[in-house]
Amino acid sequence: DQQVKQNSPSLSVQEGRISILNCDYTNSMFDYFLWYKKYPAEGPTFLISISSIKDKNEDGRFTVFLNKSAKHLSLHIVPSQPGDSAVYFCAASALGAGSYQLTFGKGTKLSVIP
Amino acid sequence: DTGVSQDPRHKITKRGQNVTFRCDPISEHNRLYWYRQTLGQGPEFLTYFQNEAQLEKSRLLSDRFSAERPKGSFSTLEIQRTEQGDSAMYLCASSGSGTVNTEAFFGQGTRLTVV
Repeated sequence: DQQVKQNSPSLSVQEGRISILNCDYTNSMFDYFLWYKKYPAEGPTFLISISSIKDKNEDGRFTVFLNKSAKHLSLHIVPSQPGDSAVYFCAASALGAGSYQLTFGKGTKLSVIP
Repeated sequence: DTGVSQDPRHKITKRGQNVTFRCDPISEHNRLYWYRQTLGQGPEFLTYFQNEAQLEKSRLLSDRFSAERPKGSFSTLEIQRTEQGDSAMYLCASSGSGTVNTEAFFGQGTRLTVV
């Protein structure tokens, strides 16, 4: 049973355009969500997070939107740059239940075309 | 401090051998995590320490796996009697002690290959 789902294995975007990566979750106990970026042969790098008490969090070119009723979140990257090409993982935790473990999706490979 | 450090970066071992990995977290972080990642999958949680106490363990962590964090500093993950299915990237992460900004920062991982 996959509790965090990233249904698009890959996404290609032109440089300068917007990249939108999507993530769905099923566990209603999840209350803290994170996005990580991963290059080959490296560990995941933290990008941005959002608590369930918010519906939007912005950090430079990265914005995460949370729709709790739909159990859906998305990561927007504007403008997309070739260096953004990587695998992006959505992750969730149930901090309110005292759990600090992260449950990850399978990832979406983003390719930004120059 | 330059981040989470893992050693070794790569390990090749024969089936049936024991292996041990080390993780040094970010110095001010009291929470430490171990994850495992296989090809095409996201990282899967294995276990979590707060200081020296092991507070969460995944069902994935069979009795061949043991993790320790003596004195609440570095941690070790040992796999006994390795099997080919143990081949994966083993990731360590750490996070701070607050109830906000609990994002975990990952090390570069240890790539285990069991032959």
